Amino acid sequence: DADVTQTPRNRITKTGKRIMLECSQTKGHDRMYWYRQDPGLGLRLIYYSFDVKDINKGEISDGYSVSRQAQAKFSLSLESAIPNQTALYFCATSDRTGASYNEQFFGPGTRLTVL
Amino acid sequence: KQEVTQIPAALSVPEGENLVLNCSFTDSAIYNLQWFRQDPGKGLTSLLLIQSSQREQTSGRLNASLDKSSGRSTLYIAASQPGDSATYLCAGGATNKLIFGTGTLLAVQP
Repeated sequence: DADVTQTPRNRITKTGKRIMLECSQTKGHDRMYWYRQDPGLGLRLIYYSFDVKDINKGEISDGYSVSRQAQAKFSLSLESAIPNQTALYFCATSDRTGASYNEQFFGPGTRLTVL
Repeated sequence: KQEVTQIPAALSVPEGENLVLNCSFTDSAIYNLQWFRQDPGKGLTSLLLIQSSQREQTSGRLNASLDKSSGRSTLYIAASQPGDSATYLCAGGATNKLIFGTGTLLAVQP
């Protein structure tokens, strides 16, 4: 079973709709991240969380919100989707201790299309 | 502000060749340097992580080096195979986050 899972894997929605992307992990990591990937722009950080009570904005947080429901679950919401939020969205996790300190592990991604 | 650049943007080699992918970063105060592989439409697979106190890491046919003073990392792939075809991304670990390059698209021709 995958260590980091994302649902849904693909989603098509319309402008103005609210949408939630979910991420779950079984790695036992305390840190979780949301990125988006756009052609030619690489991956950019939207939000990150170092534990359930710690939520931080990344470089492109406008138009997004997150919820850390438990150590293993981190959700990303688009309150009112717009076409330029069409992208590939990735969840990632990392551990703050051990030999692989801060090595990030990624989920399979969610392809979101906003019409 | 940390910026990460990867050169070349695309590379095509015949099977069996040894090759080097380059990654440069502007801020030497990075915590670590991570190399990933991404297949089309797929997620990122972590290949190697080099902590800031290390100079290199090896995994099978892959070897990654880190030179903080010059702001450079290289990923060496030995005896390339068609299955190595993918996009390779490097990312510099800054405070609380990774800064990604835009990747090198590698095609290994059989």
